[in-house]
Amino acid sequence: SQTIHQWPATLVQPVGSPLSLECTVEGTSNPNLYWYRQAAGRGLQLLFYSVGIGQISSEVPQNLSASRPQDRQFILSSKKLLLSDSGFYLCAWSNTYYEQYFGPGTRLTVT
Amino acid sequence: DAKTTQPTSMDCAEGRAANLPCNHSTISGNEYVYWYRQIHSQGPQYIIHGLKNNETNEMASLIITEDRKSSTLILPHATLRDTAVYYCIVRVLTGRRALTFGSGTRLQVQP
Repeated sequence: SQTIHQWPATLVQPVGSPLSLECTVEGTSNPNLYWYRQAAGRGLQLLFYSVGIGQISSEVPQNLSASRPQDRQFILSSKKLLLSDSGFYLCAWSNTYYEQYFGPGTRLTVT
Repeated sequence: DAKTTQPTSMDCAEGRAANLPCNHSTISGNEYVYWYRQIHSQGPQYIIHGLKNNETNEMASLIITEDRKSSTLILPHATLRDTAVYYCIVRVLTGRRALTFGSGTRLQVQP
């Protein structure tokens, strides 16, 4: 069966510090991968998606970046965090047109 | 993707059916209706999807009106664990396969 992992579960970082969130998927190959962010009390916002290794599409211009160094690994990064980067970060995967499967999320607080 | 309109919140008594409406009056012929839900502090979970016929699975039923301008998600016997935000999403099957989440309906199941 397929499993999606995200870590860390929670993170508190000061403004201006770097960020690296990792997502890995098991049990499937060549999935589409997604990063979403959910600000407090708001809906999900798509940040990045990837249809293959090294292929990243950005939905929202900001100080975040994403990379896909391996088929089932998706990394979200920032060189300098802003207060507005606080939120709940969710990784998801799909290989059908019907369903996306979400990870447990990382709750990031920028102080 | 077509825009959707959902009530902000709803209450339902435990054991009763929960009927969650969604308006999508601008839906086009090749767009599907999807429902996801998000339990507090977790990633969204796929529930069901449909094109024009009513659909049922182990979680819920989806009723789509004949003109496809609205739909209703039915949880036949709501439990406390069904308390969540429910998202109605309309999108085509092709394309980038990402999901656009609105604000959803916050369903509170009361004991």
